[in-house]
Amino acid sequence: RKEVEQDPGPFNVPEGATVAFNCTYSNSASQSFFWYRQDCRKEPKLLMSVYSSGNEDGRFTAQLNRASQYISLLIRDSKLSDSATYLCVVSRGGKLIFGQGTELSVKP
Amino acid sequence: NAGVTQTPKFQVLKTGQSMTLQCAQDMNHNSMYWYRQDPGMGLRLIYYSASEGTTDKGEVPNGYNVSRLNKREFSLRLESAAPSQTSVYFCASAGTLNTEAFFGQGTRLTVV
Repeated sequence: RKEVEQDPGPFNVPEGATVAFNCTYSNSASQSFFWYRQDCRKEPKLLMSVYSSGNEDGRFTAQLNRASQYISLLIRDSKLSDSATYLCVVSRGGKLIFGQGTELSVKP
Repeated sequence: NAGVTQTPKFQVLKTGQSMTLQCAQDMNHNSMYWYRQDPGMGLRLIYYSASEGTTDKGEVPNGYNVSRLNKREFSLRLESAAPSQTSVYFCASAGTLNTEAFFGQGTRLTVV
């Protein structure tokens, strides 16, 4: 079992849809949590950090449940430009551990 | 502001050849990382450096060596390249351990 697991993709949604990504991690010693976005053949870019209290950045909302070892990302009012792969990332002992990513395709 | 710079961007090697991938950051970050990304495998950590003068193995260190030359630079060396090392290599840096990391544009390496 992988240390960080994400929903399998791809997710194909119409513009304006709300889409949710889920992620679970297996090591309770994990310290920090992030969502990254990766466009085809490019470097991953930080989308947002994830805090226990939950946090929001415009159309994006991230939640962390430490008891369930579960992280989520909600995208509201999807745009064509949101099409990318979304990577769940967990930090433990100085290592950043990536999930395999979930591909999102937003269609007109 | 350049951020994290990797060189080269593309490279083709023959089996058995050696090469060094260079990475430099200008954000005064303490921690630096090397990852490889393969289709269906996600990003896997090869080596990381918590601070200048320290390096540690990640998930897939075999076949690689690293040098943290100074605070800015962290190089990855392939001593004897193998086709299994064909991959996209990303360097990243972070202010400290367990904080968000910023990535270079990647090196696409093919070993034939």
